[in-house]
Amino acid sequence: AQSVTQLDSHVSVSEGTPVLLRCNYSSSYSPSLFWYVQHPNKGLQLLLKYTSAATLVKGINGFEAEFKKSETSFHLTKPSAHMSDAAEYFCVVSSNAGGTSYGKLTFGQGTILTVHP
Amino acid sequence: EAGVTQFPSHSVIEKGQTVTLRCDPISGHDNLYWYRRVMGKEIKFLLHFVKESKQDESGMPNNRFLAERTGGTYSTLKVQPAELEDSGVYFCASSPLWRPTDTQYFGPGTRLTVL
Repeated sequence: AQSVTQLDSHVSVSEGTPVLLRCNYSSSYSPSLFWYVQHPNKGLQLLLKYTSAATLVKGINGFEAEFKKSETSFHLTKPSAHMSDAAEYFCVVSSNAGGTSYGKLTFGQGTILTVHP
Repeated sequence: EAGVTQFPSHSVIEKGQTVTLRCDPISGHDNLYWYRRVMGKEIKFLLHFVKESKQDESGMPNNRFLAERTGGTYSTLKVQPAELEDSGVYFCASSPLWRPTDTQYFGPGTRLTVL
């Protein structure tokens, strides 16, 4: 079984300050992990993914995430927030277990990021 | 390259009616997934097609939901009869291969409201 917990339902930052969105996961197998973003009235867009290569993963728009197995975490960061980063962010784990659930995504509850001018 | 498209974008129906949602995956993607987000909850898996075959339908809530993917191209998700608790946003995603490391590309979703 696998699960994802996003530790903050809302995060508010000022433009130009760092962003930290926290995610912890649970997985019986070595996980594949993703961060997706959903802007208002848009579909989910992939920001970045971890697939057991480098533990520090760089994504689009200046975001990055670090896979920490010892802490079962995959936190998303960005050094300097921009107004256009305001959106909902989802931490996602993909099932590496065999069988019919192989590749099935399990989502966290989502974190709404607000960016103030 | 066209992305995943879903139709309609919004649907408002009354309890007991039937609604059919459609998803067109990215051309050439054999894997098609349906997910749903009800208000206040996380996005949850409904089912997975590989080509026209249902690979995993463990997330389907009950037998009022019927998904099809004739010919392995587009897919439909029918809710009959709809209940109030079926309201939510239904997402479709597709991927070229069946691997956990593969990116699933999502459509914009269909917002279903059951009154």
